[in-house]
Amino acid sequence: ETGVTQSPTHLIKTRGQQVTLRCSSQSGHNTVSWYQQALGQGPQFIFQYYREEENGRGNFPPRFSGLQFPNYSSELNVNALELDDSALYLCASSSEGTGVWNEQYFGPGTRLTVT
Amino acid sequence: SQQGEEDPQALSIQEGENATMNCSYKTSINNLQWYRQNSGRGLVHLILIRSNEREKHSGRLRVTLDTSKKSSSLLITASRAADTASYFCATDLYGSARQLTFGSGTQLTVLP
Repeated sequence: ETGVTQSPTHLIKTRGQQVTLRCSSQSGHNTVSWYQQALGQGPQFIFQYYREEENGRGNFPPRFSGLQFPNYSSELNVNALELDDSALYLCASSSEGTGVWNEQYFGPGTRLTVT
Repeated sequence: SQQGEEDPQALSIQEGENATMNCSYKTSINNLQWYRQNSGRGLVHLILIRSNEREKHSGRLRVTLDTSKKSSSLLITASRAADTASYFCATDLYGSARQLTFGSGTQLTVLP
């Protein structure tokens, strides 16, 4: 167990709806990254939040947005859901800004199904 | 886009045998990490090797890194049925905002 938690575990939404996924980072970590993993593929980087600011973004449209809170927990919001958004969404926490490259620790993921 | 590509895509071995998985990548990296994933669950961090390191050990795991060939290998010795999982390499690109770029993984099956 990494200490990174995500909620909910599973979610079924309808095309066009909006969804919010949540992540609590490991104690002592100040950075949260979000990844999308389609079935049979490796995770794809969505974006990263460091000290409540977006700190890098992958090739995802603006309808994917996020927040990081003062306690370093984070939300991923997806608007206007499409069928291709069906995937496992993973968040990872790490401790950045120390000049040392550290491991990213992943949560168990949220399985989103869009129908 | 996939920076790292694992080879083979799938590997099936008997318990007790060694398993070797390879990863190739395209651009300069800060470090390379290996992760394990059981059946669509979260990723478990196995080992991180920095760009100035050539080999690293952790228990039954041995990772090598050849930056001149832009490749890495993960060796699992004396495999167990519990090692059955997907294994991913992830590169941390030089100058990036700590974005991990994953390959598509190797599915390892260890038969009892």
